Order: sequence, then C-alpha cells, then structure tokens
Amino acid sequence: GDSVTQMEGPVTLSEEAFLTINCTYTATGYPSLFWYVQYPGEGLQLLLKATKADDKGSNKGFEATYRKETTSFHLEKGSVQVSDSAVYFCALKKAGQKLVFGTGTRLLVSP
Amino acid sequence: KAGVTQTPRYLIKTRGQQVTLSCSPISGHRSVSWYQQTPGQGLQFLFEYFSETQRNKGNFPGRFSGRQFSNSRSEMNVSTLELGDSALYLCASSFLQGQPGELFFGEGSRLTVL
Repeated sequence: GDSVTQMEGPVTLSEEAFLTINCTYTATGYPSLFWYVQYPGEGLQLLLKATKADDKGSNKGFEATYRKETTSFHLEKGSVQVSDSAVYFCALKKAGQKLVFGTGTRLLVSP
Repeated sequence: KAGVTQTPRYLIKTRGQQVTLSCSPISGHRSVSWYQQTPGQGLQFLFEYFSETQRNKGNFPGRFSGRQFSNSRSEMNVSTLELGDSALYLCASSFLQGQPGELFFGEGSRLTVL
C-alpha cells in the first residue's frame, strides 16, 4: 500500500540555522502531498501542500517541492526560530482514500 | 469561523469500560475522519464519515466504532477498553469527501486507560 517515510528525529538546531526534513513516498497514481505541524498539546495544522509534480508549497518561510522523479517532498526553511519547535508530519492523499502519514519528525530549536 | 471541536479533551477510564468521544466539524464541512495517535504507532486512520455514511475504515478491531449525525457531528466509541487504547484521538473535517484536499484537525481527546 501507499506509504510515507520521514527522517527520524529529533532534529536539533540553533536559531537561524537551515532546516531540511526529508520525506519520501511510495504510492501508485498521483497523490497530493502535505506537511502538517503539531505544536505541543495541540492538534495538527496544515503547513503546506502540493497537488502535482513540480508544484512548490510554501508557508511561513517553509517550502517543499513535489519531486515525482525522486518520490520526495523534503521540507526546508532557511532560518528556523525557537517557535518552530514542533513535530512535523509528511503525508499523502489520493482521491477517495485516507490521508497517510509518516511517523513524524520532532524539531528542537535552541536560542 | 470556529474550528473543529473535540470533547472531552482529557479523560481517564479503566480497562473494560467504554468511552464515547465527540467531534463537531467546521461549519459546512460534511466529511469527518478519526485518527489515533500513539508514540509507538504514530497516526493511524480509524474511519471516515460523509453524509452519515462510513466511507473508509482503517484496520482496527470492531471495538472501535463511529457514527455521524445529520448535522455532520460525529462520535466514536471504544468498547471494552484495553491499556493499549490509551492515545490521543484526533478528529479532522473537510468540506468534501474523497478530495485530496486539506483536513482541519481538532486538538484531540486524550484517553488514558488504567
């Protein structure tokens, strides 16, 4: 079945460092891809999405590009802040099917 | 507009009891999905409802059930609770069923089974 693989965490960075969280997927057809973020004690919030190959999703300084040739959707941010500390989930969804999540990557940003 | 509302936020039960969790979707959203989140298994899909009908179901035992009402509010029930049912149960709503669009999540109901 369809699946998403994320890099294991935690990812520990200093403020203003560059962030990459790797995400690859296995799916038939043409899924949409998402990054969700979960702050402590909260539910999940959509961070960004891309619905077709070569689309770039972006929000709050985060970016990810849908790469069909490498089946990847890596999350990047040029300069992280302490407030970005959270768990990040990569996910895919096809029409008529459930949202499939990766295992999540915890990001810890220190001042 | 108001987000997805889940009640109760926290609850403690003992083994063998049952529990009912409630989810009110965003106004106008007709699709509601439920997920179980645990440290060991991550986010696991339970089921999805649209227009009061279950449209998708995950791989959970029959002790886990749900329903959706005509106003799109949804409930999930877990009977004969086991220790392993301790988890954060997340509800998500979307406007349309089956579309690869955004899900809006509630803050979850944290269930502890003793």
